[in-house]
Amino acid sequence: AQTVTQSQPEMSVQEAETVTLSCTYDTSENNYYLFWYKQPPSRQMILVIRQEAYKQQNATENRFSVNFQKAAKSFSLKISDSQLGDTAMYFCAFMNSQMGGATNKLIFGTGTLLAVQP
Amino acid sequence: SQTIHQWPATLVQPVGSPLSLECTVEGTSNPNLYWYRQAAGRGLQLLFYSVGIGQISSEVPQNLSASRPQDRQFILSSKKLLLSDSGFYLCAWSVGGPGGELFFGEGSRLTVL
Repeated sequence: AQTVTQSQPEMSVQEAETVTLSCTYDTSENNYYLFWYKQPPSRQMILVIRQEAYKQQNATENRFSVNFQKAAKSFSLKISDSQLGDTAMYFCAFMNSQMGGATNKLIFGTGTLLAVQP
Repeated sequence: SQTIHQWPATLVQPVGSPLSLECTVEGTSNPNLYWYRQAAGRGLQLLFYSVGIGQISSEVPQNLSASRPQDRQFILSSKKLLLSDSGFYLCAWSVGGPGGELFFGEGSRLTVL
């Protein structure tokens, strides 16, 4: 069974600084997808960034980028120029790739609570 | 555009009472639908998912059940709530096909007393 581990329950960063959130996973599959989701206080969970395992290039979305190390099964999220609005719970998630009739089930880590300090 | 609605937002129920949480999706057809439970320090646990009307898969044995009476409606139920059913429940949807993003509702906080 696949598992996702986020070893940092809480982190803090100063506004405008850079912070990296860690995530490791365990799977015997070769094809899969990895996600970072953001859950702001009292707000809906939204997708931050998505990585396809067969792509070696790291995904980027504006100030958000990942460091995907497939051999090490590591998928860290880097937030550059942190803003107050980045304060949220961040979840790393794994999705198996199933050709035909994909159920798109997400397996989540326990989350990292990020506080951006002014 | 697609939207997802989930209600009620907050619910306080006594032990042994029934439960019904509802979720509807608008703006898409034949979505995959999911119920997750979020507990402090434990991330999100997938409870049920559905790939079509009347098709329900359960991920963990529990006191809850799910139903999908219409294409874009997903209901989480219990006949008799337990204290351990307290938590934050999230409904989500995705389009079919591998790697599709999940879109989440705003959640329902259930407290069982």
